[in-house]
Amino acid sequence: EVQLLESGENLIQPGGSLRLSCAASGFTFSRYGMDWVRQAPGKGLEWVSSLSNSGVDTYYADSVKGRFTISRDNSKNTLYLQMDSLRAEDTAMYYCVKHFYDSRRSLLAYDVWGRGTMVTVSS
Amino acid sequence: DIQLTQSPSFLSASVGDRVTITCRASQGIASYLAWYQQKPGKAPKLLIYAASTLQSGVPSRFSGSGSGTEFTLTIINLQPEDFATYSCQQLNNSPRTFGQGTKVEIK
Repeated sequence: EVQLLESGENLIQPGGSLRLSCAASGFTFSRYGMDWVRQAPGKGLEWVSSLSNSGVDTYYADSVKGRFTISRDNSKNTLYLQMDSLRAEDTAMYYCVKHFYDSRRSLLAYDVWGRGTMVTVSS
Repeated sequence: DIQLTQSPSFLSASVGDRVTITCRASQGIASYLAWYQQKPGKAPKLLIYAASTLQSGVPSRFSGSGSGTEFTLTIINLQPEDFATYSCQQLNNSPRTFGQGTKVEIK
């Protein structure tokens, strides 16, 4: 079964740091780009960051650029999100998602989502 | 950034109804549009990709259409398990933006 499992929930103070992990199973992890998507309580979905299958190409939303770092360890089938200088507005459920491509490797959607991990930034 | 605007934001419907949700993009995105369904406390689930292709395992009462800047998600013969929030996403440009969501509630 194809599965993504994010790390546990966390309560962190403003200005603090946190690293999220996402363990992948059931597919060849190293073949797929991966993203992080978040959802603040009662709000819509927001793309956060993207990483190519090789780990070379990274992309960030303006709201997190310079504070968050996405990475992966293909030998461990794990995706990470290092979150620094956390703010109250980073409070959200964070989802790890798998890329879904067409035959030309154009990204078409996210076909697998983790169950999410809640990050709460509060003093 | 490309903005996606869904309409309506909320709709009330009954079992057996036909519902249509629209997603408008602020600029052309060809057919790089996906639709997701999300139930309370759960992760989103992919329903449709490439604007009109049904993801494996998704019931045929769901359908998608459109290209360029205007897209629709249609559900015919609405079932109790279809009451959820539906979101569109564009994957033509970075950042890969989402619509604000449409909540389908029981009338």
